[in-house]
Amino acid sequence: GENVEQHPSTLSVQEGDSAVIKCTYSDSASNYFPWYKQELGKGPQLIIDIRSNVGEKKDQRIAVTLNKTAKHFSLHITETQPEDSAVYFCAAKVWTGGFKTIFGAGTRLFVKA
Amino acid sequence: GAVVSQHPSRVICKSGTSVKIECRSLDFQATTMFWYRQFPKQSLMLMATSNEGSKATYEQGVEKDKFLINHASLTLSTLTVTSAHPEDSSFYICSRTLGTEAFFGQGTRLTVV
Repeated sequence: GENVEQHPSTLSVQEGDSAVIKCTYSDSASNYFPWYKQELGKGPQLIIDIRSNVGEKKDQRIAVTLNKTAKHFSLHITETQPEDSAVYFCAAKVWTGGFKTIFGAGTRLFVKA
Repeated sequence: GAVVSQHPSRVICKSGTSVKIECRSLDFQATTMFWYRQFPKQSLMLMATSNEGSKATYEQGVEKDKFLINHASLTLSTLTVTSAHPEDSSFYICSRTLGTEAFFGQGTRLTVV
């Protein structure tokens, strides 16, 4: 079945530095790749997404890149702030008789002030 | 604002009792909703797909008699954890989709004592 791998599991950066989280997926038919931010005790919130017909998308300090050939996609956060500290999940949308979202294992980001 | 409302946010119950969690779609009717389970520091695992007016579709390894899902209206899906045991303690999250985008509830932390 579809598998999404995410690295690193933990990432600690200094405020103002950039953070990069990488994911790979296994099902080449996947065509939608969202990224979610989850704060403690809350449900995930979509922060950015990318579709398979696009190689890069940017929204202010957040950008996502997609390499369909290599089946890689990455989240880039620039000028990190303490409030960026959270768990980030990548995901891939797959069709398995119905659309399902398969999540990566998550990355715990710490931004040190 | 939130488009998926989940209730309660926290519940503590005694072992052997049943607990019902509600998930409401606030803005659009949802023929399909999803239930996830998340253990501490782990990713979201899809438990089942809730289908309005028909039976839920459970993922492999999820006991349908243990986790009862009812989707009686286009705006409400419920998950009932029956005869709860301490190992059922977890964070339960529902979601619904609009197109390819998924919207999540705020989650329910269930503690079985």
